[in-house]
Amino acid sequence: DGGITQSPKYLFRKEGQNVTLSCEQNLNHDAMYWYRQDPGQGLRLIYYSQIVNDFQKGDIAEGYSVSREKKESFPLTVTSAQKNPTAFYLCASSIIGDDTQYFGPGTRLTVL
Amino acid sequence: QKEVEQNSGPLSVPEGAIASLNCTYSDRVSQSFFWYRQYSGKSPELIMSIYSNGDKEDGRFTAQLNKASQYVSLLIRDSQPSDSATYLCAVNNGGYQKVTFGTGTKLQVIP
Repeated sequence: DGGITQSPKYLFRKEGQNVTLSCEQNLNHDAMYWYRQDPGQGLRLIYYSQIVNDFQKGDIAEGYSVSREKKESFPLTVTSAQKNPTAFYLCASSIIGDDTQYFGPGTRLTVL
Repeated sequence: QKEVEQNSGPLSVPEGAIASLNCTYSDRVSQSFFWYRQYSGKSPELIMSIYSNGDKEDGRFTAQLNKASQYVSLLIRDSQPSDSATYLCAVNNGGYQKVTFGTGTKLQVIP
C-alpha cells in the first residue's frame, strides 16, 4: 500500500522548543517537499529536495531545517527561531520529470 | 511576483448543478496546471492535471486551459454535497518542479 505518511497528526510545542515532523514515502519518488498552510493563505514552500543529501530553501525557510539522508524520508525541524510556527504542515513528493505532487495527511502544529 | 489567483468564495451551487471554478496566473511561461480538492482539516488530493490548451475530462470533472488568456478552470458537473470542499489551483512556473498554489475557492453544494 504505497503512500506518504506524516507523524504525528497533532503536535504541541512550548515556546523555545525545537520539534521534528516526520515524513516518509514508499512511492519511490525522488523529490520531496515541505509546505506550510495558514488559514486564508495558499501553501507556501519551506524546503524541497530532489535527491538524497541535497535540498534547497523554498520561500519561507527561515526558522526551519531539513535533512535527506534516505530517499524515503524528509524530516522537518521547526526551530525556536521560527516565531510563528502554529500552522498545518504538509509533506509532498513527486517523480523527477513529472511535477505532479502528492500530499501526505499533514501535521497540525500548535505552539502553547 | 509570480501569482496564482482564485476567488475565495464561498461559491454556492444547488445539488445537480454545474460548479465552475476559475483561476488566473501571471507567469506566461507556466507549463503545468493542477487542481486539488481539500476537505476541511485534511490534506490536498489531486483531481486533475492539464498541460495543453483546451479541455480535459475525467468523469464529472473537466479542466479547461487557455494559455493566451492565462486562466485555467474546473467544471464539476452534477455537483454533489460530497463535492463541498476548497479547490486549490496550482501552477508550475517551470523551475525545478516548484509549484505555486492559489489560496483556494470554497465550494458549497446545497442539497
